[in-house]
Amino acid sequence: GQQVMQIPQYQHVQEGEDFTTYCNSSTTLSNIQWYKQRPGGHPVFLIQLVKSGEVKKQKRLTFQFGEAKKNSSLHITATQTTDVGTYFCAGREGSNYKLTFGKGTLLTVNP
Amino acid sequence: GAVVSQHPSWVICKSGTSVKIECRSLDFQATTMFWYRQFPKQSLMLMATSNEGSKATYEQGVEKDKFLINHASLTLSTLTVTSAHPEDSSFYICSALSGTVYNEQFFGPGTRLTVL
Repeated sequence: GQQVMQIPQYQHVQEGEDFTTYCNSSTTLSNIQWYKQRPGGHPVFLIQLVKSGEVKKQKRLTFQFGEAKKNSSLHITATQTTDVGTYFCAGREGSNYKLTFGKGTLLTVNP
Repeated sequence: GAVVSQHPSWVICKSGTSVKIECRSLDFQATTMFWYRQFPKQSLMLMATSNEGSKATYEQGVEKDKFLINHASLTLSTLTVTSAHPEDSSFYICSALSGTVYNEQFFGPGTRLTVL
């Protein structure tokens, strides 16, 4: 079945440093979504990427979808303490609504 | 925006009892809802897809007789953990498909189940 791998599992940075998490699917995806889960909270939708090679930005966050639609990345510029949380990618195959989540990357930021 | 609620937010029960968790879409109708389980510091694992008016579709390895799902209306899905055991202790999260262009899944706040 479909597998979505995400690295790194943990990342600790100093405030102001950049952060990147990578996601790789075993199969071609129709789209990929990114979620953020704060400690003790539930996943919150950040963005969806659909097109091959797509790049989207949300303030300090940059999301990319690979040309082959099998990998994606989330890059945060100049991290802040409010960025702390676990970032999950979730991929969808074909027209199936089901999402397969990566294991997530836990980001901690040292002020 | 789309809001999904879950009730209860946490529950402690004795081994062998059954627990019902409700998932409601508050300001939109959801023909499809999903139930996930998340163990501490782990990812979300899809348990089943709940479709209004029809039987749920369970993922491989999930016992349908143990985790009963009912999606009786367009705004409510329930998950009943029957004869709960300590290994069922987990964070159960539902999500509802918004049906917009992006087909976003909006997640409920989760239910923390502890089985003693």
